[in-house]
Amino acid sequence: SAVISQKPSRDICQRGTSLTIQCQVDSQVTMMFWYRQQPGQSLTLIATANQGSEATYESGFVIDKFPISRPNLTFSTLTVSNMSPEDSSIYLCSVVLAAGELFFGEGSRLTVL
Amino acid sequence: SQQGEEDPQALSIQEGENATMNCSYKTSINNLQWYRQNSGRGLVHLILIRSNEREKHSGRLRVTLDTSKKSSSLLITASRAADTASYFCATDEGSGGSNYKLTFGKGTLLTVNP
Repeated sequence: SAVISQKPSRDICQRGTSLTIQCQVDSQVTMMFWYRQQPGQSLTLIATANQGSEATYESGFVIDKFPISRPNLTFSTLTVSNMSPEDSSIYLCSVVLAAGELFFGEGSRLTVL
Repeated sequence: SQQGEEDPQALSIQEGENATMNCSYKTSINNLQWYRQNSGRGLVHLILIRSNEREKHSGRLRVTLDTSKKSSSLLITASRAADTASYFCATDEGSGGSNYKLTFGKGTLLTVNP
């Protein structure tokens, strides 16, 4: 298993500002994933973050809007840039272990006014 | 794009009853997984079933997989109020390694009434 800590757990932000979410894992992992869960919806993969390379973004998500850093094998950040109310969501960090299952952080609940 | 589709969208039962949730998907998969999410929190992995498996058990959970019908079911027996949560199926359709990708369905909201 893995223990994943996300910060902040929740925040209320003003339109046009940016927020950086941190994800810390208690063990070294190759692949980290960032998901978005809009209110009442399922999870949508934003990007895959591998250490030492650029993040791979899914269709509909771009680096300018969601820049990601992955400085080492235990840490990653996701920035939500130039926020609008449509960005109000839970953002979840996750890692995959050898058996193929994902472990998730508790999520960062973002409200944009 | 959405791969898994759960039904029903919502299910309300009494404590002690069994709960069955279904998941259908569209493309070939390596494995199918079920997750639970308690009210706006992180997801918890429940069970993984590989494409060459037909049934798997874990405690009060039983998962079946029918690759010919591209469907799976999750059965929770003798439900408890603490089982109240949203349940998601997720499919791994990647080619493995760095191409790992898990796609989640829309989820079933299960309410177990005491």
